[in-house]
Amino acid sequence: RKEVEQDPGPFNVPEGATVAFNCTYSNSASQSFFWYRQDCRKEPKLLMSVYSSGNEDGRFTAQLNRASQYISLLIRDSKLSDSATYLCVVNEVGWGALIFGKGTTLSVSS
Amino acid sequence: ETGVTQSPTHLIKTRGQQVTLRCSSQSGHNTVSWYQQALGQGPQFIFQYYREEENGRGNFPPRFSGLQFPNYSSELNVNALELDDSALYLCASRLAGEGETQYFGPGTRLLVL
Repeated sequence: RKEVEQDPGPFNVPEGATVAFNCTYSNSASQSFFWYRQDCRKEPKLLMSVYSSGNEDGRFTAQLNRASQYISLLIRDSKLSDSATYLCVVNEVGWGALIFGKGTTLSVSS
Repeated sequence: ETGVTQSPTHLIKTRGQQVTLRCSSQSGHNTVSWYQQALGQGPQFIFQYYREEENGRGNFPPRFSGLQFPNYSSELNVNALELDDSALYLCASRLAGEGETQYFGPGTRLLVL
């Protein structure tokens, strides 16, 4: 079983749509959780950290359910510029190694 | 930008050769990690260096080795290159104890023929 599993993509949505990505992780000892965004042929960039209480950054909302070992990312009012690959990431025992999911590709069209 | 740089940006090698990739971390960042990202996959953790010592390693063979220098630069060395080593190699730096945000460099794209 893969350590971090994400929805298979790609997601193709029109501008203005709401889209949700889901992710599960296998190690219950995982301590920190993130969503990274990666544009084509570029490095991953931190989109947001994910907390049990849920957190929101503008059009982006992330949720964590530790009991179900489940992480989600909701994007509202999608923009063309949101087109990218979204990577679900966990950090085990807080010592540095980030465990990445395979990524889900989002394509927003006009 | 993250302040993390990598060189070269692209590289072509043949099977059996050796390669050295370089990373310059943000000033003051004492921890650097290296990742391998194959096409269509998420990055995979290779190893981490803290204060010039390797202190964590992923599922990669010994022919993947590294060095970290006092001037916040580091190297990834790969010996006996195989076709499957073709990937984007990313380094990420952070200041241990100051949160877990890692800052990624732009990567080196390696093609092994």
